[in-house]
Amino acid sequence: DGGITQSPKYLFRKEGQNVTLSCEQNLNHDAMYWYRQDPGQGLRLIYYSQIVNDFQKGDIAEGYSVSREKKESFPLTVTSAQKNPTAFYLCASSRGLAGVQETQYFGPGTRLLVL
Amino acid sequence: AQSVTQPDIHITVSEGASLELRCNYSYGATPYLFWYVQSPGQGLQLLLKYFSGDTLVQGIKGFEAEFKRSQSSFNLRKPSVHWSDAAEYFCAVFSGGYNKLIFGAGTRLAVHP
Repeated sequence: DGGITQSPKYLFRKEGQNVTLSCEQNLNHDAMYWYRQDPGQGLRLIYYSQIVNDFQKGDIAEGYSVSREKKESFPLTVTSAQKNPTAFYLCASSRGLAGVQETQYFGPGTRLLVL
Repeated sequence: AQSVTQPDIHITVSEGASLELRCNYSYGATPYLFWYVQSPGQGLQLLLKYFSGDTLVQGIKGFEAEFKRSQSSFNLRKPSVHWSDAAEYFCAVFSGGYNKLIFGAGTRLAVHP
């Protein structure tokens, strides 16, 4: 079964702590994305990656970091610099980035809460 | 700047009634448009997309959408709503200049029995 998995489903962060959200895909997609979702605001792009070992900032990258060491994995770290991390985080992937017809497919999401 | 507006934050319909969710976009070039659906606590599922050709596109779960360039709209429709359609619906446009999807704020649909 091909798809995108995100873990954990729920994550709790203490003040000053870095936490890492996992995103894995077995669709053989080149491009991967991280979005943040807040109520009433739709989805906002945090980071995206077109190929392995390359990634670009999105609209709200401050306080976040990513890596892309493997094609199938694109973990997101929420650092202590992110002062308002409570949100629903969605990972997505597509076959490529350059082609406008590349549909993005989404994982089930991780809800991050601050203790 | 490119943007997507979904004017209705919440909509309530009775089961079996028809549905239309509105989406307006602002984009200079030919838009590439999408509708996604999100059940509570879940990821987004693609309902349908428009790239070119026939302006009336069919999607999954009995949904369709019509692209109207003159009105900058891409409204989603369903002739008869089922209780399982209760969810949040997002319209999005692909911005070629920025190489990213731009999402509307979403419309939450409630279905009364």
